[in-house]
Amino acid sequence: DAKTTQPPSMDCAEGRAANLPCNHSTISGNEYVYWYRQIHSQGPQYIIHGLKNNETNEMASLIITEDRKSSTLILPHATLRDTAVYYCIVRSSLGGATNKLIFGTGTLLAVQP
Amino acid sequence: DAGVIQSPRHEVTEMGQEVTLRCKPISGHNSLFWYRQTMMRGLELLIYFNNNVPIDDSGMPEDRFSAKMPNASFSTLKIQPSEPRDSAVYFCASSPTGVQPQHFGDGTRLSIL
Repeated sequence: DAKTTQPPSMDCAEGRAANLPCNHSTISGNEYVYWYRQIHSQGPQYIIHGLKNNETNEMASLIITEDRKSSTLILPHATLRDTAVYYCIVRSSLGGATNKLIFGTGTLLAVQP
Repeated sequence: DAGVIQSPRHEVTEMGQEVTLRCKPISGHNSLFWYRQTMMRGLELLIYFNNNVPIDDSGMPEDRFSAKMPNASFSTLKIQPSEPRDSAVYFCASSPTGVQPQHFGDGTRLSIL
């Protein structure tokens, strides 16, 4: 079973920031938070990941709460091409069979013109 | 840079036939993953290879499914005999190591009539 909880859907206006929440209250110390997205008819695309510090790359920012029980993915200026299902995944860093990515149902982000 | 390459992109066949899906991972990536995506069950990991060796095949649904990785640049997922319930999109992904982000191909859309 997925170890994360996400809202099933969200809307965002084009050009505005999209803030996608994720709850992972049972996360353990060696588990990272990963975000992927899947645009219709394509394979999942890696966005960003983090352990406990906030992270930023060219695609997005990841804000992880101090207790690590929740996080927020931020797309600073959403475009229509950002419409996709966004998956928040908790993944072990220990290796072996624990490397599985377990995808939940994700959040369908609809960016509106 | 070439990403993960899957073939065929679409496959339609009659039940009982053998189906072979192919994947070429990104050069230099040591880990390869096969996933299946359906509306009912979402994205599920079927099997995971590291350095061409199967590490976790607990997601393979039954003996009709088999996967091989004869070398670092090629993997196959075979279904024999195929059944209508095998209809799904099958994704292949690769990563430099088992703990780094996975890069997905565009998938094979399989329809079993």
